[in-house]
Amino acid sequence: GENVEQHPSTLSVQEGDSAVIKCTYSDSASNYFPWYKQELGKRPQLIIDIRSNVGEKKDQRIAVTLNKTAKHFSLHITETQPEDSAVYFCAASTGFGNEKLTFGTGTRLTIIP
Amino acid sequence: EADIYQTPRYLVIGTGKKITLECSQTMGHDKMYWYQQDPGMELHLIHYSYGVNSTEKGDLSSESTVSRIRTEHFPLTLESARPSHTSQYLCASSPPTGAVYEQYFGPGTRLTVT
Repeated sequence: GENVEQHPSTLSVQEGDSAVIKCTYSDSASNYFPWYKQELGKRPQLIIDIRSNVGEKKDQRIAVTLNKTAKHFSLHITETQPEDSAVYFCAASTGFGNEKLTFGTGTRLTIIP
Repeated sequence: EADIYQTPRYLVIGTGKKITLECSQTMGHDKMYWYQQDPGMELHLIHYSYGVNSTEKGDLSSESTVSRIRTEHFPLTLESARPSHTSQYLCASSPPTGAVYEQYFGPGTRLTVT
């Protein structure tokens, strides 16, 4: 089955700086890669996703890049703000009617004011 | 309002008791999932369903069982609770197969077994 590794497990950055979280996956058939954000005591929520037919996707301060050859994808947050503090999870899925997600182990991001 | 609901939100129960965690969604989704998560930690898939009368075990071995008799309802049952079952349980759902794969999560049930 799929295995997703996520690094780092914790990350602290100064407000206004950029943050990068990286994930690698094992199943070359995976073609859908979402990122979820979970604030303290809240439910996980999708913030951005990317499919295997594109290499990069951007939504305001958040971007995701995908390297299918190397089987890794990354989340980039620019101009970080205190409300970006949360746990971030990457995930992978093969799609095509099997939307079961395999999640990474999570990254606790802390923005230092 | 279309959403996914879980009850109870918090449950403290003694060892050996039978419990059922409820999950309902009003979003018309056919796929539903149960995850186990220690606070702020990795999400482990324990059960999923692609529709009525369809249930599958997930990646994490679990002593729980699920049923899917109605599209909107996906309860999880522990026949005999143990302290090792202490955790948060998150229910999720996703739309029918298509361009959207997003999973929508419920607020969770925090279970403590004493």
